Amino acid sequence: GAGVSQTPSNKVTEKGKYVELRCDPISGHTALYWYRQSLGQGPEFLIYFQGTGAADDSGLPNDRFFAVRPEGSVSTLKIQRTERGDSAMYLCASSALGVTDTQYFGPGTRLTVL
Amino acid sequence: GQQLNQSPQSMFIQEGEDVSMNCTSSSIFNTWLWYKQDPGEGPVLLIALYKAGELTSNGRLTAQFGITRKDSFLNISASIPSDVGIYFCAGQPRPQGGKLIFGQGTELSVKP
Repeated sequence: GAGVSQTPSNKVTEKGKYVELRCDPISGHTALYWYRQSLGQGPEFLIYFQGTGAADDSGLPNDRFFAVRPEGSVSTLKIQRTERGDSAMYLCASSALGVTDTQYFGPGTRLTVL
Repeated sequence: GQQLNQSPQSMFIQEGEDVSMNCTSSSIFNTWLWYKQDPGEGPVLLIALYKAGELTSNGRLTAQFGITRKDSFLNISASIPSDVGIYFCAGQPRPQGGKLIFGQGTELSVKP
């Protein structure tokens, strides 16, 4: 079946602008995760949803970052007043949350803030 | 916070050689996962380990979940050029659900 999809694949914006990044999880996966990956580093956790609610948002760096998952499927990561330091690869993953909880990643959105 | 130490940081090997990389932590993890990432793409799952002591193979790849639950290794046998990429270990602190903690990655280069 289809894997995790993310749109757009690339986003270039100017400092101070607002951006939205979208994630479509694997069908039927109840858990959805957002990670951020800087060049040369491993992914870092941002937020985790179980269904529609955020079960853990401890990784969000500040209040400019917000994510929603209103119907328990698609999720949107929203970044306000973007800064150059927000430039990174934003990765989404989903899992089925059963006996095992294996996270499968999407291709990512490369965000560049000029 | 919890951190994973992954080594080596990079490896340059000849095609056909075996490769070994590992991750250690000061904290216990309930799940260990190994991913491979190509440039500009998302991580692709290679092997998932769920029990301490578990040894699992996937083709030429073998990984083990350490008995102490604080470490894991990945071996690749008879490397080929398409093994090139960055390999990440990831640990999950909670038994079900929740964030992954990633290592810094091992960049593998294979010379034909």
